[in-house]
Amino acid sequence: GQSLEQPSEVTAVEGAIVQINCTYQTSGFYGLSWYQQHDGGAPTFLSYNALDGLEETGRFSSFLSRSDSYGYLLLQELQMKDSASYFCAVLTDSWGKLQFGAGTQVVVTP
Amino acid sequence: NAGVTQTPKFRVLKTGQSMTLLCAQDMNHEYMYWYRQDPGMGLRLIHYSVGEGTTAKGEVPDGYNVSRLKKQNFLLGLESAAPSQTSVYFCASSFTSFRTPNEQFFGPGTRLTVL
Repeated sequence: GQSLEQPSEVTAVEGAIVQINCTYQTSGFYGLSWYQQHDGGAPTFLSYNALDGLEETGRFSSFLSRSDSYGYLLLQELQMKDSASYFCAVLTDSWGKLQFGAGTQVVVTP
Repeated sequence: NAGVTQTPKFRVLKTGQSMTLLCAQDMNHEYMYWYRQDPGMGLRLIHYSVGEGTTAKGEVPDGYNVSRLKKQNFLLGLESAAPSQTSVYFCASSFTSFRTPNEQFFGPGTRLTVL
């Protein structure tokens, strides 16, 4: 079957570093995306990895290992505004279809 | 640019009623998607479209129909609403999937309750 596994919740203090892991098992794989969603809001795109390695965008970085079916999102210098849910999503075909994980709620405390 | 907009924002239906959710995008995107999100779960794809006049089934299509008569609009219909369709519905759009980083742009969502 198809599945994406990520932790349900992570709590950290302001200024800390958080790593959200995602392991996947899907019928097709073109790349791994990460989306952020604040309570009651729309998901917004953070990053996309099609190839193995690390992609850095400001305080956020994303990593992919295709051979291990594994990726992670790294949040550095945590800020209160980073409190949100983070979803990994696998691009499963050439029509842009995404399969989402259940999401990781990140709680940032003062 | 408004991006992706959805109408209505909230709706309460009785079992058996029908309704149509409207999604509009002004970014000239080819691809459009309808998702549902239930508490504690990720988004699940209902239907999608890769161009004007085309539609295809996603992961959870039963009980829904869609139409894409114009490139900028994607309609989601519920013919006979059931309580199991209580959810938050998100529309998204993107350029073709060959364009990295394959970003999907989401609308603000429609909160639907079926009694």
